This record gives sequence, C-alpha cells and structure tokens, in this order.
Amino acid sequence: QVQLQESGPGLVKPSQTLSLTCTVSGGSISRGPYYWSWIRQHPGKGLEWIGYIYYSGSTYYNPSLKSRVIMSLDTSKNQFSLNLSSVTAADTAVYYCARGINPFDYWGQGTLVTVSS
Amino acid sequence: DIQMTQSPSSLSASVGDRVTITCRASQSISNYLNWYQQKPGKAPKLLISAASSLRSGVPSRFSGGGAGTDFTLTISSLQPEDFATFYCQQSYNTPYTFGQGTKLDLK
Repeated sequence: QVQLQESGPGLVKPSQTLSLTCTVSGGSISRGPYYWSWIRQHPGKGLEWIGYIYYSGSTYYNPSLKSRVIMSLDTSKNQFSLNLSSVTAADTAVYYCARGINPFDYWGQGTLVTVSS
Repeated sequence: DIQMTQSPSSLSASVGDRVTITCRASQSISNYLNWYQQKPGKAPKLLISAASSLRSGVPSRFSGGGAGTDFTLTISSLQPEDFATFYCQQSYNTPYTFGQGTKLDLK
C-alpha cells in the first residue's frame, strides 16, 4: 500500500520560498512509470493542480505558477519536493502530494501552509 | 485550460436516496474524467477513473458515466458515510483541472 506524507514549515513569510517534501512509502519513486504531483486547496475552496515530476525527473508545471515552481526528486530518501518562490497571501493553502496524473490515485494527508509576516 | 463545471454546487439528500452529480467539460475530453470524494479535513479519495471505472474497494453504489463533454456520478442509495464534497477532474490536457465541487449534505 503506497502512502505519502507531506512535511515542511506551516508558516512562510511573504516574498520567501515555500518548501515542502513528500515522503513516499510502500513503493520506490524511481521505479517507473509513475508521476508524482502537487495539488493545493485554498481555504474553503476547490483544488488546483500545481504540477508533476516524472520518475525520470522530467517536470511539467501549471502555467499559472510555472515561473515560481521547481520540483525535484531525492531517490535516496524516496522523496520528492516542491519549491514555490516569491509567495504571497494568495499562496496560503493546504498542499497535497499525490501519485499519478491520470488519475491521482494516492494522496498525502495534506499540510496547511500560511503565508504571513 | 479546460473548464470543468459541476452541478449542482450543493445538494441535500436523505439516507437511501439516489443522487446524481453532473460534470461538464468546456471541450471534449473523451473519457479522461475522474471523480473524487473529500470529507472535511481529509484529502480527496479517488472513486472513479476513466469516467466509469470504479476503484477497487469503492462500494458498488457509486457509478460513473458519460463521455465527451458530459459526465455523471451517481450514488444509488446514499449511506451515512457518503456525505461529503465530490470533485470531477479532467486528465485529457495539461493543466489538469478540477470542477468546483458538489457538497452533498444530509437533508
């Protein structure tokens, strides 16, 4: 059974970089052909797909966030990460990591990140 | 981007009722349509993929249908644990997009 767990700071200051890590258990992230996605949910709102990183390391980012997003893999720790730069209050959300793109079949529990000074 | 529109946005129903939620895509997405259920404070859970394929372990009272631009999620006989918010999601084109959600609550 694949399990995912997000970790990272719950509070980030405006203009700084939000950094989150997703630790995967029950399967290797470097074993294909899986995609690994980040999705966020603004408080009380719907879901927004941020992007994915493929097991090979290739990435695709939502154009709405592309200029600020970097995703990476750490296969030695079986983790993948999200960096979102120049954050504002509009980036306050619950951030989820998930496996796949079609569909998102396993999800982490989510972590709330608040952007505030 | 492909816009996904769900209706209704909210729905009140009773245990035992049959309910149907509709999802419409702004362009044809073949059957690249997935449904998720989200309970308060929890992550979404996959119910149905490829428009009509029920995920293993999901009760058979859930069913999905449709193709092209119009899709449905039907719960044949509501159970107490079914009250939640439901989202459709298209995986036909990037960026992948979700519907705004349908909140199903107890009448």
